[in-house]
Amino acid sequence: GAVVSQHPSWVICKSGTSVKIECRSLDFQATTMFWYRQFPKQSLMLMATSNEGSKATYEQGVEKDKFLINHASLTLSTLTVTSAHPEDSSFYICSASREGSTDTQYFGPGTRLTVL
Amino acid sequence: QKEVEQDPGPLSVPEGAIVSLNCTYSNSAFQYFMWYRQYSRKGPELLMYTYSSGNKEDGRFTAQVDKSSKYISLFIRDSQPSDSATYLCAMMKGNKLVFGAGTILRVKS
Repeated sequence: GAVVSQHPSWVICKSGTSVKIECRSLDFQATTMFWYRQFPKQSLMLMATSNEGSKATYEQGVEKDKFLINHASLTLSTLTVTSAHPEDSSFYICSASREGSTDTQYFGPGTRLTVL
Repeated sequence: QKEVEQDPGPLSVPEGAIVSLNCTYSNSAFQYFMWYRQYSRKGPELLMYTYSSGNKEDGRFTAQVDKSSKYISLFIRDSQPSDSATYLCAMMKGNKLVFGAGTILRVKS
């Protein structure tokens, strides 16, 4: 159990367009989901934490108007990169934790975004 | 100073060798300590999870935590080419994970 999926696995878009990435918990209810960004040969950096039904909490330096996060249900969170630019090209990874078990995060396979 | 320090490597070892991966940290607030394995272009996979000082063993993997020195280690015995990946240490405070930079491990057959 505890499988997390992401869609799409990779996406290429033009500069200025918006891209939506989905994160789903397939076999459990995720009260909290996390969004990370990973640049090549670097570690994962937490972007934001989202709880179902409430606004996301963004880390310092992450633009909330640029990276829109919606956590509308216990199995789905979405990250929308608005007006994407080449510097937004990165590997975006989500994770999810079960209710009552916030010390364990289950990671998705990641989405590679390339902005031309 | 980063909260979690990890040598990025790469670390190259022959098949069958014992591998030692390490991280140091500066924040005493960290409560839980994890090791993740990440293959290229994939999400991290949890390998080991500990919350107290001492050793925890799972098959060929042993995780060690020394809270007094703020130092954690992961040992891999009888390393295999399939162990070649990036190994990330991670530490939790509250519900947030802070990752090390990751160490690239290459096991040569």
